[in-house]
Amino acid sequence: AQKVTQAQTEISVVEKEDVTLDCVYETRDTTYYLFWYKQPPSGELVFLIRRNSFDEQNEISGRYSWNFQKSTSSFNFTITASQVVDSAVYFCALSEAQTGRRALTFGSGTRLQVQP
Amino acid sequence: EAGVTQFPSHSVIEKGQTVTLRCDPISGHDNLYWYRRVMGKEIKFLLHFVKESKQDESGMPNNRFLAERTGGTYSTLKVQPAELEDSGVYFCASSQEKGIQYFGAGTRLSVL
Repeated sequence: AQKVTQAQTEISVVEKEDVTLDCVYETRDTTYYLFWYKQPPSGELVFLIRRNSFDEQNEISGRYSWNFQKSTSSFNFTITASQVVDSAVYFCALSEAQTGRRALTFGSGTRLQVQP
Repeated sequence: EAGVTQFPSHSVIEKGQTVTLRCDPISGHDNLYWYRRVMGKEIKFLLHFVKESKQDESGMPNNRFLAERTGGTYSTLKVQPAELEDSGVYFCASSQEKGIQYFGAGTRLSVL
């Protein structure tokens, strides 16, 4: 069975601070995908990144960066120089990659509040 | 290009009534998924369509839930009869083959 744990329920930072959102996962699959989605106040889930389990390279996209560590089953997300517009709920998710099953297993989400 | 759209955005019904949620996927996406988040818990998978066929319905909670995708375009999710524990946000997503799932804004269902 797959499981995703986001231990931080809510984080509050002041604008321009760096913040890291933690994600720990469990799976028996040898090949899998990891995801991050953002849910702003408008409600839709916005795709941020998908990472294949074979690719452990860290990724940077503007102020966003992701640290994938297979040894600790973690896929953490860092926002550098946070802005008020980053305020949202962030979800980490996991899916199989070898079979036809496409269902995403989500963590419970981390609510990020960026104060001006 | 239009994203995934869901109707209605919010539905309030009484216990025992029927509600039908609709999802229009991104044009050209054969894969369509339903998820729900109840009582502030995790977002849970319900089912997956490939065109008009149900590929995986392992997450459907019980037979009060019926999902259809006639013609392989839009999908409906009917809850009949609705119970209090069905309250939550129902999300729809669509993707191309093995592609990233793009989500709609969800339908918030309140069963009173």
